[in-house]
Amino acid sequence: AQTVTQSQPEMSVQEAETVTLSCTYDTSENNYYLFWYKQPPSRQMILVIRQEAYKQQNATENRFSVNFQKAAKSFSLKISDSQLGDTAMYFCAFMTFLRSYNTDKLIFGTGTRLQVFP
Amino acid sequence: DGGITQSPKYLFRKEGQNVTLSCEQNLNHDAMYWYRQDPGQGLRLIYYSQIVNDFQKGDIAEGYSVSREKKESFPLTVTSAQKNPTAFYLCASSQRGYTDTQYFGPGTRLTVL
Repeated sequence: AQTVTQSQPEMSVQEAETVTLSCTYDTSENNYYLFWYKQPPSRQMILVIRQEAYKQQNATENRFSVNFQKAAKSFSLKISDSQLGDTAMYFCAFMTFLRSYNTDKLIFGTGTRLQVFP
Repeated sequence: DGGITQSPKYLFRKEGQNVTLSCEQNLNHDAMYWYRQDPGQGLRLIYYSQIVNDFQKGDIAEGYSVSREKKESFPLTVTSAQKNPTAFYLCASSQRGYTDTQYFGPGTRLTVL
């Protein structure tokens, strides 16, 4: 069964510094997608970044970048120049097509709460 | 402005009552999903729909029901058979329902009194 593990329940960082959130996953599939979603206090789930497993190049979106290590099944998120607005819950998620569901299925980790301090 | 709307934002229910949560999208997405979020846990899939008039159970469908009569709408009914319905409910949609990014609505907080 596919699982996603986020081993850091809480993290904190000072404004303008860099922080890395960890995520590992377990799957026997070769084709899949990985995501980081952000859930601020408003609780809206917002897509931060997406990575296709077949791409070797790490995805980047402005201050957000990932370190995708396929062999190690690791997918960490680096936030550079942290801002107060980055304070949120961050969820790592894994998606693949499941024949038993006849659809893609998004599997979430339990989240990491990030606090950015001024 | 394209997006996903959910209503109401907060919902209170007495035990034994059924309630319906609304989810509407104007993104022209084919697939729609309902998730439940509990404290300290990730999201869990309740129901999903690939096309109009078709839907499938997710991991925790017991006590819930859905309909998909229109492409834009995917309402979720929380029935009295759901033993622990107090939670945050999120609706999502995606373009093709096959390894495509899911976008989420703002959520509904359901509290059973």
